[in-house]
Amino acid sequence: AQSVAQPEDQVNVAEGNPLTVKCTYSVSGNPYLFWYVQYPNRGLQFLLKYITGDNLVKGSYGFEAEFNKSQTSFHLKKPSALVSDSALYFCAVRDPNNNDMRFGAGTRLTVKP
Amino acid sequence: EAGVTQSPTHLIKTRGQQATLRCSPISGHTSVYWYQQALGLGLQFLLWYDEGEERNRGNFPPRFSGRQFPNYSSELNVNALELEDSALYLCASSFGANYGYTFGSGTRLTVV
Repeated sequence: AQSVAQPEDQVNVAEGNPLTVKCTYSVSGNPYLFWYVQYPNRGLQFLLKYITGDNLVKGSYGFEAEFNKSQTSFHLKKPSALVSDSALYFCAVRDPNNNDMRFGAGTRLTVKP
Repeated sequence: EAGVTQSPTHLIKTRGQQATLRCSPISGHTSVYWYQQALGLGLQFLLWYDEGEERNRGNFPPRFSGRQFPNYSSELNVNALELEDSALYLCASSFGANYGYTFGSGTRLTVV
């Protein structure tokens, strides 16, 4: 089955600085990759996805992610962090052969003023 | 367009009881997914229903079960509740494999 690893439980950045949240994946075929964000006591909100095409994917709220097939990574990035970006971020991979999605353990991003 | 709706928002049960959680997907979505989010454990895949059939289940005991109705809404049942079943249960729906999931706000189940 497909799997995702988010190696950092916590990422702290200062407002205005660039941020990166790391994700690596394992899947048997071509991956469908996703990033979601979760605010306190809420469900997950979709940020962006990679299915095929350009390796750099742009999503909501100024976030982007780069698909790197050789490193099996899909890191989430933003050039300038905002305090309001503070939340829990989940990377997910979907194997199109079995259709269900598996999530990483999540990374808590804290942006300090 | 209405999003994915889950009910109830909160549910308190005692150990040994049964809990029933409900989910209505976005109109047109035929697949419904259930996840458990326990404190500090991320999202654990529970069940996937599509067109009324169970398509896959995660590594959970049989007392976690569910069904999908003809209108594509879904129910998650947890029997013989244990304290460690306390978690946020999230339902999601999707249109197909190329699409992401749309999540509901979840049901917070507390077992006392």
